[in-house]
Amino acid sequence: SQKIEQNSEALNIQEGKTATLTCNYTNYSPAYLQWYRQDPGRGPVFLLLIRENEKEKRKERLKVTFDTTLKQSLFHITASQPADSATYLCALSSGNTPLVFGKGTRLSVIA
Amino acid sequence: GAGVSQSPSNKVTEKGKDVELRCDPISGHTALYWYRQSLGQGLEFLIYFQGNSAPDKSGLPSDRFSAERTGGSVSTLTIQRTQQEDSAVYLCASSLGASGGARETQYFGPGTRLLVL
Repeated sequence: SQKIEQNSEALNIQEGKTATLTCNYTNYSPAYLQWYRQDPGRGPVFLLLIRENEKEKRKERLKVTFDTTLKQSLFHITASQPADSATYLCALSSGNTPLVFGKGTRLSVIA
Repeated sequence: GAGVSQSPSNKVTEKGKDVELRCDPISGHTALYWYRQSLGQGLEFLIYFQGNSAPDKSGLPSDRFSAERTGGSVSTLTIQRTQQEDSAVYLCASSLGASGGARETQYFGPGTRLLVL
């Protein structure tokens, strides 16, 4: 069955370091991969979308990679700040199907 | 402009009762989605409306769940004969719908927290 795994439930890092979150998938051939941020008590907020033919995408301090051979996406936050603390969700779709979300990784950036 | 709004923000009900959850999408967005998020779980797709097309109901967990979208705008998710396992946050999202839902940014509402006693 299709499966999406985000590397860990929780990740703690020191302020200023680069946070790297992992999204792995199996039995799936996504054409699109999205990353969302979710704060407690709120709905997810879109961050980045990357297509299967794109290796990397950047937005300010964020960088996403998409490796269809490894079936993996990496999400990086450089120069992390306490305000980056949140849960980060990856979501996949083949394009004609609804987005399938992972369970998320809760990131805590410690000052 | 206004984002996606949902009401009520919280709902407590007794097992066996029916509940209706409302979603007001962003004006002009033709695509609307409902998701469910249980504690410690990812977002679970429930149903997807795109313009005047028949909705994709493939995620509805049982026939106790139904949804309508009137006039291509407001949507109502109805859960009949609620069970304790229905307790979750129900999230609504909308997108422009111009190029197909999964290829676009989805804008989420704040969710309705449903507790079934």
